[in-house]
Amino acid sequence: AQSVAQPEDQVNVAEGNPLTVKCTYSVSGNPYLFWYVQYPNRGLQFLLKYITGDNLVKGSYGFEAEFNKSQTSFHLKKPSALVSDSALYFCAVRDGDYGQNFVFGPGTRLSVLP
Amino acid sequence: EAGVTQSPTHLIKTRGQQATLRCSPISGHTSVYWYQQALGLGLQFLLWYDEGEERNRGNFPPRFSGRQFPNYSSELNVNALELEDSALYLCASSSPWVGNQPQHFGDGTRLSIL
Repeated sequence: AQSVAQPEDQVNVAEGNPLTVKCTYSVSGNPYLFWYVQYPNRGLQFLLKYITGDNLVKGSYGFEAEFNKSQTSFHLKKPSALVSDSALYFCAVRDGDYGQNFVFGPGTRLSVLP
Repeated sequence: EAGVTQSPTHLIKTRGQQATLRCSPISGHTSVYWYQQALGLGLQFLLWYDEGEERNRGNFPPRFSGRQFPNYSSELNVNALELEDSALYLCASSSPWVGNQPQHFGDGTRLSIL
């Protein structure tokens, strides 16, 4: 069975500092990994995905994520945080080339302090 | 391209009533997923429909049901409403047989039970 863990419920960072939101996963086959962001009273917005290839994936709004197969991790990063980045972030995994089930992590609330 | 649309935006019901929530997927997407998100918390998977069939179901009682129509739109029905059903209900769509594609979410229906 596939699973996703986000070990931090809350991450606080000062504006202008780099941010990292952590995600680890477990799947049987090849992992397809996704990051989403959710602003208050909105649905989830897709940020980026890892399918294959380069371990560093670039996405929307200056976010990037680093895939590490040996550590089964897919951490979300941004070099310089903005107050507007404050939101709820979800990591998700889909298992294999024909996996239909998406599994979402519990979410991490990011607060960027001015 | 139009995104995933959900209606109504807000729905207020009383205990014991029935609620119907609707979702229109992105054009070309045949899969529709339903999630429940209690206030500020993670996503709980409810149902997955594809090509008119229920493909998977989360750990919810039978009073949560739904269907998918020939045009791939979907509705979620919740019978015998309870106070704990108050939540944001999110719909997502995707192409199920293309594993590297993300789910795309609507902005949800906020269901409040009085």
